[in-house]
Order: sequence, then C-alpha cells, then structure tokens
Amino acid sequence: AQSVTQLGSHVSVSEGALVLLRCNYSSSVPPYLFWYVQYPNQGLQLLLKYTSAATLVKGINGFEAEFKKSETSFHLTKPSAHMSDAAEYFCAVRLGTTDSWGKLQFGAGTQVVVTP
Amino acid sequence: GAVVSQHPSWVICKSGTSVKIECRSLDFQATTMFWYRQFPKQSLMLMATSNEGSKATYEQGVEKDKFLINHASLTLSTLTVTSAHPEDSSFYICSARGPPGHSEQFFGPGTRLTVL
Repeated sequence: AQSVTQLGSHVSVSEGALVLLRCNYSSSVPPYLFWYVQYPNQGLQLLLKYTSAATLVKGINGFEAEFKKSETSFHLTKPSAHMSDAAEYFCAVRLGTTDSWGKLQFGAGTQVVVTP
Repeated sequence: GAVVSQHPSWVICKSGTSVKIECRSLDFQATTMFWYRQFPKQSLMLMATSNEGSKATYEQGVEKDKFLINHASLTLSTLTVTSAHPEDSSFYICSARGPPGHSEQFFGPGTRLTVL
C-alpha cells in the first residue's frame, strides 16, 4: 500500500524566511509524488511532481522538493516566503496497483501562514 | 492547457432535493475523472473514479445510489447528489487524469454545496 504523511498541520513563517513542509511516503513500488497548493474555496494547483527522473524537482512560484529514497521523504521548500504563499499544501502519492492506477492518496495537508 | 472546470461553483438547496454538479475538461479528453469530497480544514477524500462509457468505481463507504456519477463523454462527468441532506454539505472537487505525457491529475475549482 502507498501513503504519505505530512508532518505538521500548521506552519507559520515570517515573510522572507525559509518555507519547509515535510512529507514522508510509504510505497512498495517506485513512487510518483506530487505537491499541490489550495487557496481558500479553490481547487488544487500542481506545484511540482517527482516521476523518477531528477531527484531535485523545481516547481512553480519558487518551490522545489527533493526526493530522498533513503529517508522516504519528499519535503517541499522555498527559500523566501511571500505573503501570497499563505495557503494549504498537500503532498500526494499516485497509487500504482492495477486496479487503482492513477488514483492519488493525499496527506492531511499543511496550512501555511505567512507573517509580515 | 489541461484546464478543468466545474459548474456550479456554489449551490444551496433544500433538504430532499437532488443537485447535479458538472465537471468538464476544456482542452483535452479525459477518459478518467475523479470525484473528491473535502470537509472544512481537512484533506481530500476520494469518492469515486469515473470512466468514460462505463460505470463509476466507488470507494469503500461511499453510497453509489446517493452519489450518482455519469461520464457520458470524453469531456464531461457529472455527480448528482440525490435526496440531499445537511450532512451532504461539503466542498466537492473533480479532477481529470491528464492527457498523454502528463502524470498528474488536473483539478477543477470545486463546488460548494450547502443543504438547508
């Protein structure tokens, strides 16, 4: 079975400070991993994805994530937080069994608050 | 490209009535779409997988007679909440499996359903 765990339901960062959102995965097969962002009352927007190519993945809005197999992690970072980064962030793994290919398993989400 | 729309964006209905929510892939064909439910400050819960031209596959615990899904064309899936009750009030989000070359799902903006 595949799953993701996001550590920390809330993260508060100062504007200009590093943003670090933690995601650990569990998977019996090479995983496809995703980070999505959700603004209030909106759908999800893809930030970046890992699909077994480069382990350091760069996404939109200055975010990046590094796939570390030894640590089963896919943490999301941004060097300098902006007020517009305040949102809910979800880590997800794509399920790979025959009858569930394409489904996503989401983490519980991390709410990011950016303070001036 | 790969835009998914939902209609309506919000709906208020009386208890006992049925509500239909549409999910459309605007610029690509989506043989598979997914329906999620999201309660306030929670993660997305997959309700069902909608496959064009065949019956939807429901997740465990989701009542298929209450949440009717129809995927009659390659660009449209509908979710009908039948005999809605206040506990059905939620944020419903659809997504579509991306076109060839895309490993991610593309999400609609969501529909806020309030049942009085």
